[in-house]
Amino acid sequence: QSVLTQPPSASGTPGQRVTISCSGSSSNTGNNYVFWYQQLPGTAPKLLMYRNNQRPSGVPDRFSASKSGTSASLAISGLRSEDEADYYCAAWDDSLSGAVFGGGTQLTVL
Amino acid sequence: EVQLVESGGGLVQPGGSLRLSCAASGFTFDIYWMSWVRQAPGKGLEWVANINQDGSEKYYVDSVRGRFTISRDTAKNSLYLQMNSLRAEDTAVYYCVRGFDAKYGFDIWGQGTMVTVSS
Repeated sequence: QSVLTQPPSASGTPGQRVTISCSGSSSNTGNNYVFWYQQLPGTAPKLLMYRNNQRPSGVPDRFSASKSGTSASLAISGLRSEDEADYYCAAWDDSLSGAVFGGGTQLTVL
Repeated sequence: EVQLVESGGGLVQPGGSLRLSCAASGFTFDIYWMSWVRQAPGKGLEWVANINQDGSEKYYVDSVRGRFTISRDTAKNSLYLQMNSLRAEDTAVYYCVRGFDAKYGFDIWGQGTMVTVSS
């Protein structure tokens, strides 16, 4: 059971907009930055979003994120086949004194 | 090129020990927090441990505290994970990861090294 809660799966057709939610608590997402990671099949994860809603250089602006209270979300617009991957949210947890991840959301592009 | 290369994984019996290494290159190693993150086969990501720039602060996930020790050697630009009393549930790909925003995030990931605990 992961500390952060994500839906196990999401899907969309090319060109659509998809959102993935991430729910935590006051000790993690409510009080600390949320990060998002993308893991393409068979590869190591990659930093996708940082500080709740900031994109690293090289990440397309089709990706966006937001946070409100203890919940966060990742949005992907103009969905493309290469977006098919697992997506994880993460945050530092002050109570656990450690980083915590969501269980991951497998995105399928139909 | 910024790079992290793990080594030291393999097959070990329950109760055994293993030491993972991570060689860092392409960046100033001693100004970053560093972490180990693992992923069991077919499962999600789990943060294992992290260490600050001079090794004076270390944090561990509850399931490995007392069994695993994270360390670093600035002179060798290397990160280590000493794993003792290994259990079947420690079986995973272990990633060496560079800290982002100090200890709060992770921006550079190695390719991972597989650890299998089985008799």
